Amino acid sequence: EAQVTQNPRYLITVTGKKLTVTCSQNMNHEYMSWYRQDPGLGLRQIYYSMNVEVTDKGDVPEGYKVSRKEKRNFPLILESPSPNQTSLYFCASSFNREGGSEAFFGQGTRLTVV
Amino acid sequence: AQKVTQAQTEISVVEKEDVTLDCVYETRDTTYYLFWYKQPPSGELVFLIRRNSFDEQNEISGRYSWNFQKSTSSFNFTITASQVVDSAVYFCALYGGATNKLIFGTGTLLAVQP
Repeated sequence: EAQVTQNPRYLITVTGKKLTVTCSQNMNHEYMSWYRQDPGLGLRQIYYSMNVEVTDKGDVPEGYKVSRKEKRNFPLILESPSPNQTSLYFCASSFNREGGSEAFFGQGTRLTVV
Repeated sequence: AQKVTQAQTEISVVEKEDVTLDCVYETRDTTYYLFWYKQPPSGELVFLIRRNSFDEQNEISGRYSWNFQKSTSSFNFTITASQVVDSAVYFCALYGGATNKLIFGTGTLLAVQP
């Protein structure tokens, strides 16, 4: 089954404690990205990757890091989480960067930073 | 700049009513893609439709239909004979080749009352 898998689904952590949210896709997609969803703001892109070892900033990259060492995986790293990073996070992948295919989204990770 | 506006924050209808969700976009790209996604209360994002900028044909899929008008930069979504299961947040999104990212609107919460 084609899917994007995020882990964990729920996470409560404390300010400053490094964490990683994993994302894996099994569709051999080149393009992957991370979004955060906040009330009244819709989804905003954090980082995206057009292929292995190619990543770039989205609209709200501050406080986040990513890496793309393998095509299937695109982890999101919060080196020192802060309460303003409390949000619902989605990983997405698509066949190409041209928008010609729909983005497949993971189930979401609800992060709370206290 | 690219932008997607969903002016309707919340809509409430009674079952079997028709409802239209508005989406207005801004882009300078000549080639772009427009999307609609559904986010039910369970939180996942479900792809509904993709339309490229060269295809202005309206589309119908069961009770769902979409009206794309380049002249007004709109891509509206109509649900005919709404059902309680249609209750969700609906996002309109724009992908432009120049930005390599999917820009989302802020979403419209549709509540269908029995």
